[in-house]
Amino acid sequence: DAKTTQPNSMESNEEEPVHLPCNHSTISGTDYIHWYRQLPSQGPEYVIHGLTSNVNNRMASLAIAEDRKSSTLILHRATLRDAAVYYCMDNAGNMLTFGGGTRLMVKP
Amino acid sequence: DAGITQSPRHKVTETGTPVTLRCHQTENHRYMYWYRQDPGHGLRLIHYSYGVKDTDKGEVSDGYSVSRSKTEDFLLTLESATSSQTSVYFCAISERRVGSTNEKLFFGSGTQLSVL
Repeated sequence: DAKTTQPNSMESNEEEPVHLPCNHSTISGTDYIHWYRQLPSQGPEYVIHGLTSNVNNRMASLAIAEDRKSSTLILHRATLRDAAVYYCMDNAGNMLTFGGGTRLMVKP
Repeated sequence: DAGITQSPRHKVTETGTPVTLRCHQTENHRYMYWYRQDPGHGLRLIHYSYGVKDTDKGEVSDGYSVSRSKTEDFLLTLESATSSQTSVYFCAISERRVGSTNEKLFFGSGTQLSVL
């Protein structure tokens, strides 16, 4: 079975960096790793994605392990507006598979 | 924001009744997806479409059927709703297949379905 796993919750202080991990135990070598986030009562929204090397955009950075079995979403300075559920996703088993989501709580 | 509209936004129905959820897009994207979201399970793919009249099953397709007669509309039907299908349903779209291409998903706002 495809396995994409994340911790259920994490906590951070405002303006500190946050590292959200994901394990991609059944990912293949050609599948992109995606991250989405979901604010309360909204649909998920795209954050970042990558294939092999680390990626940066205005929202976050994505670090991908050399064996691609794990990835880390990095929020460089967490704000209260970053409090959300963060989902990683891959294409394990040729099926778009989301992790269970990590609820990020940001303390002022 | 991507032009995706899901209807209805909320629906309460009784066990055994048929239910159809609609996803409408204005982006002319080829791929459309239906997901359900449940506590402890994250987002699970029900069905997806890769073109008009071209559909395929996802991870949790039992009890659901889909149809796509026009590029812009993707319908999800519960032929005989059960309480286990109480969930939040999200539609998503992409221009090309997500996963093995440099492509990303855009999601609608969701439909909250309660089956009593």
